[in-house]
Amino acid sequence: DIQLTQSPSFLSASVGDRVIITCRASQGISSFLAWYQQKPGKAPKLLIYAASTLQSGVPSRFSGSESGTEFTLTISSLRPEDFATYYCQQLNSYPPLFGGGTKVEIK
Amino acid sequence: EVQLVESGGGLVHPGGSLRLSCAASRFTFGSYWMSWVRQAPGKGPEWVANINQYGNEKYYVESVKGRFTISRDNAENSLYLQMNSLRPEDTAIYYCARVGLFRGYSYFEYWGQGALVTVSS
Repeated sequence: DIQLTQSPSFLSASVGDRVIITCRASQGISSFLAWYQQKPGKAPKLLIYAASTLQSGVPSRFSGSESGTEFTLTISSLRPEDFATYYCQQLNSYPPLFGGGTKVEIK
Repeated sequence: EVQLVESGGGLVHPGGSLRLSCAASRFTFGSYWMSWVRQAPGKGPEWVANINQYGNEKYYVESVKGRFTISRDNAENSLYLQMNSLRPEDTAIYYCARVGLFRGYSYFEYWGQGALVTVSS
């Protein structure tokens, strides 16, 4: 199985900060990676797919990039509604596992 | 807006069975792969199973193979998950999700609100 290692697992930041979350795959997955945001008591919400394609309706302050087996989710300027937990997911092969998550909390 | 509504969750004893349903609306259900994803309390999401548009191609996470069965009824716009031989570690919120596809890249595009399954004696 392809494993995903997300870092950091916890992040404390302020409104307006630039936030970068990293997801490293245990082997090559091309661009078959998605990012999700989850708030307490809610289902995950798709933010980015194909490593860097923004889902319709998602604010442009979210962006995704890749370099080899390392993928990043960047929030350019953190807003209050962005405090949540973020997960990456590989969809290159079965099983489509999720990363361990990054909880973004208010500093 | 796409709607996915899960039902059928509840409390069940270890070794028992439960059948989850997911009612889909506001899109052409029969045109999409569908998925079940679960999330144990305080944990991250875990993919459980996928099914193709026609119901003849199915995939499962190793831990549920032989115990869970994913199925669909396109005439009823419904997705199902039959869960047998349930274990305490199956306790989770179960979400159904529509699988999106764009230029060969798939992703879990829309999610239901989830159904809680608790396996306990």
